[in-house]
Amino acid sequence: GNSVTQMEGPVTLSEEAFLTINCTYTATGYPSLFWYVQYPGEGLQLLLKATKADDKGSNKGFEATYRKETTSFHLEKGSVQVSDSAVYFCALRGGSYIPTFGRGTSLIVHP
Amino acid sequence: EPEVTQTPSHQVTQMGQEVILRCVPISNHLYFYWYRQILGQKVEFLVSFYNNEISEKSEIFDDQFSVERPDGSNFTLKIRSTKLEDSAMYFCASREASVTNEKLFFGSGTQLSVL
Repeated sequence: GNSVTQMEGPVTLSEEAFLTINCTYTATGYPSLFWYVQYPGEGLQLLLKATKADDKGSNKGFEATYRKETTSFHLEKGSVQVSDSAVYFCALRGGSYIPTFGRGTSLIVHP
Repeated sequence: EPEVTQTPSHQVTQMGQEVILRCVPISNHLYFYWYRQILGQKVEFLVSFYNNEISEKSEIFDDQFSVERPDGSNFTLKIRSTKLEDSAMYFCASREASVTNEKLFFGSGTQLSVL
């Protein structure tokens, strides 16, 4: 079946550091891939998505590229801010409209 | 931006008791979901609901679980006889009817603790 594996957190960075959160997936066919973000006290929100191989999703300075050859969708940001502190969830959607999520990776950014 | 509302934010219950978790989806959305996340584990799909019936459910969603949309605005998850292993964060989500817009809107969750 479909599954998503994310790097374990927490990821702790200083402000303006480069961020990578790894995500790999297992799926049949050609899934859509997503990153969701959960800020403290809030629900998960869609951050970005990519629907086919080599697509790059981007939003708020975050990027992720759909790599079919490595079945990966790593999240990157060139310069993180304290306000980016949150939990980040990688997800995929296969044939149905039911996304499959990873466990989430906590990001802590220090001033 | 419109949001999904979940109540309560925390629920503590004794093993064997019934609990009802409540959600108010976004008003023009037609697809509704429950997910849960046991501490340290993945966010797991429980059930999806459309047109007043369950459209998909996972293996987790056994006879102890039920969902209902009693009044056109609320969407509830009932656990009939809670077990210790039901302790988790439960997330409600909703989505528009459009097949081209697959964005899910999530509530902030209900933390269920079964003692």
